[in-house]
Amino acid sequence: GAGVSQSPSNKVTEKGKDVELRCDPISGHTALYWYRQSLGQGLEFLIYFQGNSAPDKSGLPSDRFSAERTGGSVSTLTIQRTQQEDSAVYLCASSSNIGAGETQYFGPGTRLLVL
Amino acid sequence: GENVEQHPSTLSVQEGDSAVIKCTYSDSASNYFPWYKQELGKGPQLIIDIRSNVGEKKDQRIAVTLNKTAKHFSLHITETQPEDSAVYFCAATPTSGTYKYIFGTGTRLKVLA
Repeated sequence: GAGVSQSPSNKVTEKGKDVELRCDPISGHTALYWYRQSLGQGLEFLIYFQGNSAPDKSGLPSDRFSAERTGGSVSTLTIQRTQQEDSAVYLCASSSNIGAGETQYFGPGTRLLVL
Repeated sequence: GENVEQHPSTLSVQEGDSAVIKCTYSDSASNYFPWYKQELGKGPQLIIDIRSNVGEKKDQRIAVTLNKTAKHFSLHITETQPEDSAVYFCAATPTSGTYKYIFGTGTRLKVLA
């Protein structure tokens, strides 16, 4: 079946502009996660959703970052007033349930470049 | 909170040789340890995982071992092939109220033909 999809695949924006990144999880997956991967670095947790609720937003780096999930499916990560340090690959993952030991399946990522 | 260390950061092996990547974790309550392979320009893909109730798991040329006492786990790739060249990430899942993965910093594996 279809995997996790993300759009756009690449985004170039100017400093100070807002951007929206979209994630379509695997159909039926209740949990959705956002991670950030800076150049040559590991994956940094941002936020996760259980259904439409976000029990853990602890990884969001500042109040310029927000995310929502509607209908228990699509999620949007919004970055307001982008800064150059926001340049990274933003990865979305989903798992069938919430719980320790649930495998997370990743999308291809959105490569964001802030000029 | 949980911390995962991964070594080495880069690894070059000759085709046909074995490769070993090691990770240590800090939270003794972690009970799930996946390994991901990330090729250039792609998202991470799960290649193997292990749960804390087993010590070893194998899938063809790939194996993972877990030592709960020492809090470390390792990825073993035998008979390496050029297509194994990629960045490999280990992760651990803590059990205290959140289910985010804590990732290691990655190992860039290069298999030389």
